[in-house]
Amino acid sequence: SQQGEEDPQALSIQEGENATMNCSYKTSINNLQWYRQNSGRGLVHLILIRSNEREKHSGRLRVTLDTSKKSSSLLITASRAADTASYFCATMNAGNMLTFGGGTRLMVKP
Amino acid sequence: EPEVTQTPSHQVTQMGQEVILRCVPISNHLYFYWYRQILGQKVEFLVSFYNNEISEKSEIFDDQFSVERPDGSNFTLKIRSTKLEDSAMYFCASITDRGNQPQHFGDGTRLSIL
Repeated sequence: SQQGEEDPQALSIQEGENATMNCSYKTSINNLQWYRQNSGRGLVHLILIRSNEREKHSGRLRVTLDTSKKSSSLLITASRAADTASYFCATMNAGNMLTFGGGTRLMVKP
Repeated sequence: EPEVTQTPSHQVTQMGQEVILRCVPISNHLYFYWYRQILGQKVEFLVSFYNNEISEKSEIFDDQFSVERPDGSNFTLKIRSTKLEDSAMYFCASITDRGNQPQHFGDGTRLSIL
């Protein structure tokens, strides 16, 4: 698999439930970022976690990073229909370029 | 909040023609990027640009592509002799400085090659 692979590829939940998306990567990183993309739109930055951090919160978002396993997870709590989107993890290396995963398509049913 | 703006939102071009995609990064940002996303695929890095020169480029960014910052505000991606497989969303991003900062993305230009 390539750098920054998410699973699941697709996730369908009911409004109010929690959504968990996972990301794995292969090389060393400076940080890992999560982005959201609504259909046909640009990428919206959600949260950045540095390589020396293990957990970070922002509102209903919780991100974890395990550098020993080269993995990260994004948890969205109390999901809303408006959270329906594709979610991408992206790793940043020393060269400052982002390497994106394939994304998780999240559908939150009202 | 300042935004990265991209024009046009949709560009339709005949195969073999040249296209120029335009981006206005956030005004105090110093590093600029182009990425592309072929429909249904991953977002892929093309090129980064700093201090009026290319910092890094991917294998995708071959001689068909070029970037330029013609003035203090615009950042352009030129694709010469377009091919069908160049059809994709092209995203511009900018960042204030290197390090642990999020990249700010524009809404993209959808390029359709006929």
